[in-house]
Amino acid sequence: AQSVTQLGSHVSVSEGTPVLLRCNYSSSVPPYLFWYVQYPNQGLQLLLKYTSAATLVKGINGFEAEFKKSETSFHLTKPSAHMSDAAEYFCAVSEDRGSTLGRLYFGRGTQLTVWP
Amino acid sequence: AAGVIQSPRHLIKEKRETATLKCYPIPRHDTVYWYQQGPGQDPQFLISFYEKMQSDKGSIPDRFSAQQFSDYHSELNMSSLELGDSALYFCASSLSGGNTIYFGEGSWLTVV
Repeated sequence: AQSVTQLGSHVSVSEGTPVLLRCNYSSSVPPYLFWYVQYPNQGLQLLLKYTSAATLVKGINGFEAEFKKSETSFHLTKPSAHMSDAAEYFCAVSEDRGSTLGRLYFGRGTQLTVWP
Repeated sequence: AAGVIQSPRHLIKEKRETATLKCYPIPRHDTVYWYQQGPGQDPQFLISFYEKMQSDKGSIPDRFSAQQFSDYHSELNMSSLELGDSALYFCASSLSGGNTIYFGEGSWLTVV
């Protein structure tokens, strides 16, 4: 069974300060890990993904995440927040089912607020 | 680049009516997933198809059914609609052997 835990349903930061959104997963097999961003009334946009190639993954909009197997974590970071980063962020885990990717298991999401 | 296309984007139905949502995956993608996202909630997996066959089933109500057609597009049929079915319905697609799942913009269903 797979599951994702996102610590902190709401995170607030000031513009220009670092962002840290936490994600821990549980998986019985080597996972595929994703971060998606959802702006109000919009769809899910892929920020970045971990697929076992490299533990430090760089994504769009200056975000990156580090896969730490020993901590079963995949935290999302950004050195300097921008007002446009305000959105809902979802961490998700999937597994390789051989022929195709399995379903995504989502965390409950973290709402990021950026203050001017 | 072409993305996942969903239609309609917005739909309003009355209780006990039927609704059909359509999904056109990214070209060459052979796997389609359906998710339901209630207000303020995370997306919940409903069902998926690979090469036109059901590959996985989640928390899809018996009132709902779905299929994937020969051109790989998929339809989600929802009958006897209830107020609680009001949600954002996402379709996503992936390519066999790939490592990424891409989402469409979603279809807003409001049941009144």
